[in-house]
Amino acid sequence: EIVLTQSPGTLSLSPGEGATLSCRASQNIIVNYLAWYQQKPGQAPRLLIYNAFSRATGIPDRFSGSGSGTDFTLTISRLEPEDFAVYYCQQYGSSPPITFGQGTRLEIK
Amino acid sequence: EVQLVESGGGLVKPGGSLRLACVASGFTFSDYSMNWVRQAPGKGLEWVSAISSRSSYIYYADSVKGRFTISRDNARNSLHLQMNSLRAEDAAFYYCARGGPYCGGGMCLLDHWGQGTLVTVSS
Repeated sequence: EIVLTQSPGTLSLSPGEGATLSCRASQNIIVNYLAWYQQKPGQAPRLLIYNAFSRATGIPDRFSGSGSGTDFTLTISRLEPEDFAVYYCQQYGSSPPITFGQGTRLEIK
Repeated sequence: EVQLVESGGGLVKPGGSLRLACVASGFTFSDYSMNWVRQAPGKGLEWVSAISSRSSYIYYADSVKGRFTISRDNARNSLHLQMNSLRAEDAAFYYCARGGPYCGGGMCLLDHWGQGTLVTVSS
């Protein structure tokens, strides 16, 4: 099973600043099959990034993904008020199970 | 527009059973694998089970293997999760999620999610 470790656990920033969220895998993720999701309170997760760097439909270009192998990053440039949420990484590159990171909470400073 | 609507959650006693449903619309249901993912209140996401488009392949998390059964009815655009021998640690929001076009080892990107149904296990 691939274990995903996200850091930091909580990130406190102000609107307009940039955010960098990390996701580290315990093994190489095949074909960079890694996704990022955003979850707001009381809502289902929403797909932001897939295949490590491809933006999902309707996602603003201030969200970008990068990385390969075992180290992946979600970058949010110029934070908007609606971006403050919990972010999860997920891998889908290997046999079961699908695994998620424990999440990074992005909060307003 | 892709829509996934879950139902069937509720309060059940430890050892009891519950059957969740997810009705899909806005896409050709029989072309996609489907998944259940759960989230205990205030906790992270845990994948529970997956089923391929024609039910040929079925997978479970170790935590539910032997107690939960996933199934689908492509004629009715519906996905189900039969949960038996429920435990306190099974209490969570249960989301159905569509398997997207990118898959490795039978596991797929989860590109659309329902709003979830809450399962509470308590005596």
